[in-house]
Amino acid sequence: DTGVSQDPRHKITKRGQNVTFRCDPISEHNRLYWYRQTLGQGPEFLTYFQNEAQLEKSRLLSDRFSAERPKGSFSTLEIQRTEQGDSAMYLCASSLDGGAGEQYFGPGTRLTVT
Amino acid sequence: TQLLEQSPQFLSIQEGENLTVYCNSSSVFSSLQWYRQEPGEGPVLLVTVVTGGEVKKLKRLTFQFGDARKDSSLHITAAQPGDTGLYLCAGRPGFNKFYFGSGTKLNVKP
Repeated sequence: DTGVSQDPRHKITKRGQNVTFRCDPISEHNRLYWYRQTLGQGPEFLTYFQNEAQLEKSRLLSDRFSAERPKGSFSTLEIQRTEQGDSAMYLCASSLDGGAGEQYFGPGTRLTVT
Repeated sequence: TQLLEQSPQFLSIQEGENLTVYCNSSSVFSSLQWYRQEPGEGPVLLVTVVTGGEVKKLKRLTFQFGDARKDSSLHITAAQPGDTGLYLCAGRPGFNKFYFGSGTKLNVKP
């Protein structure tokens, strides 16, 4: 399977704990996006990378959130000191730079903060 | 306020009926995409439109991009239960990030 993969698929954590999610994009894609989706809403943009450079970060992303893409391949999204409001589906997508920029999504990581 | 407004929010129809979902904005988009999402899964790309007035067909689904590239519609002919899901539009004003609508939840009853 050469699609976008995300790990883990589900994460339950207690308030105050740190969590880290991983995304492996389609191998030839140089752009990687992170989104957050809550029930009944469309995905909200969090941040994106072109190769290893983080080019844009949403104002929604507090200082507790950090994302990396160290070698321009896989990416990690870390949430420190989780809060109940962080409970959501975290989606990763990848695309090629240029053209219409079609994004291909992974299956998502469902985070539940108790 | 969302950049893209989708309507209707919910649609419940019988198998065999036709339907249209709308995606509207006051912004101009360089490209617009439609996705279908099932519960607990990531969105799956259906189509990308880039030219004003463009019409694309995917079996029973017809997608149209407005002449001014500010709006789009998705028409489904003879809906089937397998069409059930959340339909999302996403527009890109420049060449960087996409903005998503809040989606149309479609339920097709057998």
